[in-house]
Amino acid sequence: AQTVTQSQPEMSVQEAETVTLSCTYDTSENNYYLFWYKQPPSRQMILVIRQEAYKQQNATENRFSVNFQKAAKSFSLKISDSQLGDTAMYFCAFMNPRRGWTGNQFYFGTGTSLTVIP
Amino acid sequence: DAGVTQSPTHLIKTRGQQVTLRCSPISGHKSVSWYQQVLGQGPQFIFQYYEKEERGRGNFPDRFSARQFPNYSSELNVNALLLGDSALYLCASSLRAEASYEQYFGPGTRLTVT
Repeated sequence: AQTVTQSQPEMSVQEAETVTLSCTYDTSENNYYLFWYKQPPSRQMILVIRQEAYKQQNATENRFSVNFQKAAKSFSLKISDSQLGDTAMYFCAFMNPRRGWTGNQFYFGTGTSLTVIP
Repeated sequence: DAGVTQSPTHLIKTRGQQVTLRCSPISGHKSVSWYQQVLGQGPQFIFQYYEKEERGRGNFPDRFSARQFPNYSSELNVNALLLGDSALYLCASSLRAEASYEQYFGPGTRLTVT
């Protein structure tokens, strides 16, 4: 079975500084997707960044980048130039695409609550 | 364009009752997924539907069922409610079922079972 572990329940960072959120996962699959989602307080969850396992290059989206270490099964998120609007719960997620009709499977970690301090 | 909408926003039910939650995807999106998010935890995958067919199922009992209609909206049904079913139920839609297509989440339905 696949599992996703986020070992940092809470983190804080000064505005304009850089912070890294950790995520590890366990799977025997070779083809899969990894995601970071952001859930602001009382607001909808939105996708921050996505990584495909077969791509060696780390994904980047503006101030957000990942460090994907496939052999170590590690997928950390780096937020540069942190802004007050980055304050949110961040979830790491794993998706195992299946062929045919056996179904896709999504797994989320327990989340890291990030607070950006002015 | 409207985002993913869910109804109702909040719901209070008694143990043993049945509940139906509704989700309308973004226009043009054919895939709908359902998640259960217990307070303080990450979402847990319940179902994914694409073109009215079940494409994925999480580790939930048979008390949980869902369906997708020709207009791609979806319903999640939970029978014989337990206290542990109290949670935020999230719906997400995407153009297709593959992971390469981004999921857009709705605001959720907060279910409280007393």
